[in-house]
Amino acid sequence: SQQGEEDPQALSIQEGENATMNCSYKTSINNLQWYRQNSGRGLVHLILIRSNEREKHSGRLRVTLDTSKKSSSLLITASRAADTASYFCATDAAGGYQKVTFGTGTKLQVIP
Amino acid sequence: GAGVSQSPRYKVAKRGQDVALRCDPISGHVSLFWYQQALGQGPEFLTYFQNEAQLDKSGLPSDRFFAERPEGSVSTLKIQRTQQEDSAVYLCASKPPGVYEQYFGPGTRLTVT
Repeated sequence: SQQGEEDPQALSIQEGENATMNCSYKTSINNLQWYRQNSGRGLVHLILIRSNEREKHSGRLRVTLDTSKKSSSLLITASRAADTASYFCATDAAGGYQKVTFGTGTKLQVIP
Repeated sequence: GAGVSQSPRYKVAKRGQDVALRCDPISGHVSLFWYQQALGQGPEFLTYFQNEAQLDKSGLPSDRFFAERPEGSVSTLKIQRTQQEDSAVYLCASKPPGVYEQYFGPGTRLTVT
């Protein structure tokens, strides 16, 4: 079963615009990760945020985490056509051994 | 260095056939995971190895699914008597100790006809 749900399910934007996708999850977590999947490079890790962090940046990526609402958001600024992919959040349960549970994904299309 | 590799990349099986899917993790990666990804969905956990020990197989959908990693490196996922609902992409991931990031292989797309 999927732990997280992303919304929107699909998002289409123009190159240069920002893209925001959200993830909600059900149980307490240690960490939340975001992964990107496209046909060219498969599933690739983007960024990890720990349960005691509220915000994290990496290049054009900004991730927030609200553990009280059990939700996270991923913002991609100044999008590029190469950002076209599906984005998944993945959580590992508190007290677990780092087994992660993936969400349902957001399919992002960036139009040149 | 080489990433995680999986073979075959594509497999077509007739219903009832047995299949074996191979995963070569990154050298030195102790943890190895198998996932099943249906079309339009996120990967779903199947099983987890730490070295040669299978520590969690709670995600295997039925007793037709079996995984092994006898020497703590290469792993094989075997599906017996394949059914149409087994059609999916099977992903393997590995990671070294002390980090959370998983490194994924390209997957094997299994189609059962």
